[in-house]
Amino acid sequence: GEDVEQSLFLSVREGDSSVINCTYTDSSSTYLYWYKQEPGAGLQLLTYIFSNMDMKQDQRLTVLLNKKDKHLSLRIADTQTGDSAIYFCAESMAGSGGYNKLIFGAGTRLAVHP
Amino acid sequence: ETGVTQTPRHLVMGMTNKKSLKCEQHLGHNAMYWYKQSAKKPLELMFVYNFKEQTENNSVPSRFSPECPNSSHLFLHLHTLQPEDSALYLCASSPLAGVSYEQYFGPGTRLTVT
Repeated sequence: GEDVEQSLFLSVREGDSSVINCTYTDSSSTYLYWYKQEPGAGLQLLTYIFSNMDMKQDQRLTVLLNKKDKHLSLRIADTQTGDSAIYFCAESMAGSGGYNKLIFGAGTRLAVHP
Repeated sequence: ETGVTQTPRHLVMGMTNKKSLKCEQHLGHNAMYWYKQSAKKPLELMFVYNFKEQTENNSVPSRFSPECPNSSHLFLHLHTLQPEDSALYLCASSPLAGVSYEQYFGPGTRLTVT
């Protein structure tokens, strides 16, 4: 079946690294995404990784993919107060009409404190 | 700004009202999506349009009626809603509906049904 799971809450100190974890169930997922949602806003695409990659780095963001364990993580280096938001993991697969169907996790709320 | 706008941002309606949500994308994309985001539940895909053709109706009740007059505009017509329909309704677009294309989200319409 289709299921994406994330822990619901993470609290970190400003300047530390944050690691948000996600597990998914569909091994045929082609792309895996991380989205960020700030209060009162829609989802902002942060980064994504193709399923044949193990790691992708983009400035302060590092995505690690363990395809064997179906585990995805997002590491934010030097976490800032502006990083406080809800982070959604999503897996991509073809829907019945051939379109890009995203299955989202419930989101991890990241709280950054001084 | 993601290039996807939604109006209104907030809407309060009674169960007997009829209202419409509007989404417009300025990215030249050909696929558009409606999602529902309820408290404590993962994002739920509602409808997908690819080149103005509906390719997915994810078992959505008929009190929600989508319309896609062209690739830049997407509407969600609402009538005789229930209080449990109160949620954040997010619109998204992507270049095409294939799996390799990331989706860009609008800020959402916060709907309250009284």
